[in-house]
Amino acid sequence: AQSVTQLDSHVSVSEGTPVLLRCNYSSSYSPSLFWYVQHPNKGLQLLLKYTSAATLVKGINGFEAEFKKSETSFHLTKPSAHMSDAAEYFCVVQAGFQKLVFGTGTRLLVSP
Amino acid sequence: GAVVSQHPSWVICKSGTSVKIECRSLDFQATTMFWYRQFPKQSLMLMATSNEGSKATYEQGVEKDKFLINHASLTLSTLTVTSAHPEDSSFYICSALDRGREKLFFGSGTQLSVL
Repeated sequence: AQSVTQLDSHVSVSEGTPVLLRCNYSSSYSPSLFWYVQHPNKGLQLLLKYTSAATLVKGINGFEAEFKKSETSFHLTKPSAHMSDAAEYFCVVQAGFQKLVFGTGTRLLVSP
Repeated sequence: GAVVSQHPSWVICKSGTSVKIECRSLDFQATTMFWYRQFPKQSLMLMATSNEGSKATYEQGVEKDKFLINHASLTLSTLTVTSAHPEDSSFYICSALDRGREKLFFGSGTQLSVL
């Protein structure tokens, strides 16, 4: 069965410093992986997705993620955090036709 | 702007009453919508897949008679929590599949509190 594990429930960074949100996946076949972001009182928004093309995936708002099969990881990074990046981030694996399995989420806190 | 509208954003109800949550696709037709539930500090869990004009497909362990899903039009799916109890208190979120853009769009969620 497909699953994802987000290793940190909370991550705190200062504005302008790098962001790293960790995600490990479990899949019996080559997975499709996603990162979604949820700002308060807003819907989930797709940041980026990996579908077995390039292992380094670039998304919106300066985020990117690297698929590492050897480490079964799909960590989300950003070189420089902005205050507006503060939100809940979900790592997601596709487990069937449009059937998504979500991680438990990581809350990113950005301080001035 | 939002392409999927979900209402209400929060609702408080008495135990034993029913609550209806609406999910609308605003600028596309969605033949397929999904309903998720999230308990505090847990993942979003898929409850059911809603297909326009046919019965919903429920995930294992989800009571179809308790969580009624109606997808009567191409832009609207509703989830009704019947005879709600405190253990049904949760965050419910819908998503709609835009086949043209091959994208899933999510609503902003509904926080249900049953007293």
